[in-house]
This record gives sequence, structure tokens and C-alpha cells, in this order.
Amino acid sequence: GIQVEQSPPDLILQEGANSTLRCNFSDSVNNLQWFHQNPWGQLINLFYIPSGTKQNGRLSATTVATERYSLLYISSSQTTDSGVYFCAVTTSGTYKYIFGTGTRLKVLA
Amino acid sequence: NAGVTQTPKFQVLKTGQSMTLQCAQDMNHEYMSWYRQDPGMGLRLIHYSVGAGITDQGEVPNGYNVSRSTTEDFPLRLLSAAPSQTSVYFCASSSDLGRGLANNEQFFGPGTRLTVL
Repeated sequence: GIQVEQSPPDLILQEGANSTLRCNFSDSVNNLQWFHQNPWGQLINLFYIPSGTKQNGRLSATTVATERYSLLYISSSQTTDSGVYFCAVTTSGTYKYIFGTGTRLKVLA
Repeated sequence: NAGVTQTPKFQVLKTGQSMTLQCAQDMNHEYMSWYRQDPGMGLRLIHYSVGAGITDQGEVPNGYNVSRSTTEDFPLRLLSAAPSQTSVYFCASSSDLGRGLANNEQFFGPGTRLTVL
């Protein structure tokens, strides 16, 4: 089955810093989402982005489907950005979402 | 819209007991799914459904049953709880599958934290 790897596994930033999170996948995908899991365990949709680039405030994402990766950019990080960031994908012909291992982000005040 | 709702929020079971985790959505989504998340891990798919009366297995289906009698509800049944099923369970639903396999953006419920002693 498809493998979904995220890097880095852990990231510590000072408030105000920028960061890039990466999601690599081993097969063609037809759906890709980025989620933020906050410290209370809630999963928050960030982007639905099977291809192309999207921006929402301080966050933006780019998926290059032909090269099998997606990037999540966080600019001017805030303490409320802390938590775990997951990407999840489905492959062609299936409805099954496969989650990556996540990037644990901690933003220090 | 309430979105995706799950009950209960917390549950403690003894080994061998059975129970049903409830999931409902009011967005008229055809696709619903159940995941489990173990400590420090990502989410793993247990079962999913592409419409009323249609269910299929995910990555980790053993020990769980599902049924889909209505579009709105997708309960998850633990047949005989085991300590290995201690986890947080998330239900999700997805956009109208009338557009095909694409545009399958998922929305998650708040989760049920289950402990099996």
C-alpha cells in the first residue's frame, strides 16, 4: 500500500519564526488533506489540496502531485500553532484515507 | 449544522464487555468512516461506508463491526473489548460522492476516548 512520510517528526520554534512541513507519498493520489490536531485532540481541517497551491492567512500549502509531495508553510508562527500536523491521502480507485506519521510542532513564547 | 457528532466523549470498559460508539452527521454526506488513534500515533482506518447499506474494511477492522442503515448514522460496535482497543476513536464524513472519488474532503468529529481495563 501507499506510504506517507512526514518530516521533520518534531519541530520547536520561537514565536514569529517561519517553518516548512513536508509530506512525501509513494504513489499517485487523488485526495490530499492537511490537518492540525490541537493539544486538546481536536482535528482541524487546514487544506484540501490534491494539487496546486492554496493560502489561508499565515498558512499556505503546495502539492506537486507529479513529484509526490506536499508542503505546508507556516509564517509568523504563534503559540496557538502548537500541536501535531498530519497529511492524509487517498490513492486512485479507493476511498481509504491513509494518514502520515505527523509533525509535532511546539512554538515557544 | 452540527457537523459530525460523536457520543460518548469518554468511556471505560472492562475486558470482554461490548459497546457501541455513536456517530452522526447532518451534512448529507455519503461517505463516513471510523479511525482509531493510539498515543503518539497517526490515525488508522477501521471501517468505512460509501452510502446506506454499504460498508467495507479499512486497515485495522478486527474486533469491530459497523452498519449503515441511514445516511446520517454510522455506529461502531466493539464486540468483546480488549485492552489493545484502548484508543481515541474518530468518526469522519466526506463530501458528496456524486462527484466521484475526487473532492473527498473529510470532516472529523470530536472523538471518543475509550479505556479498556
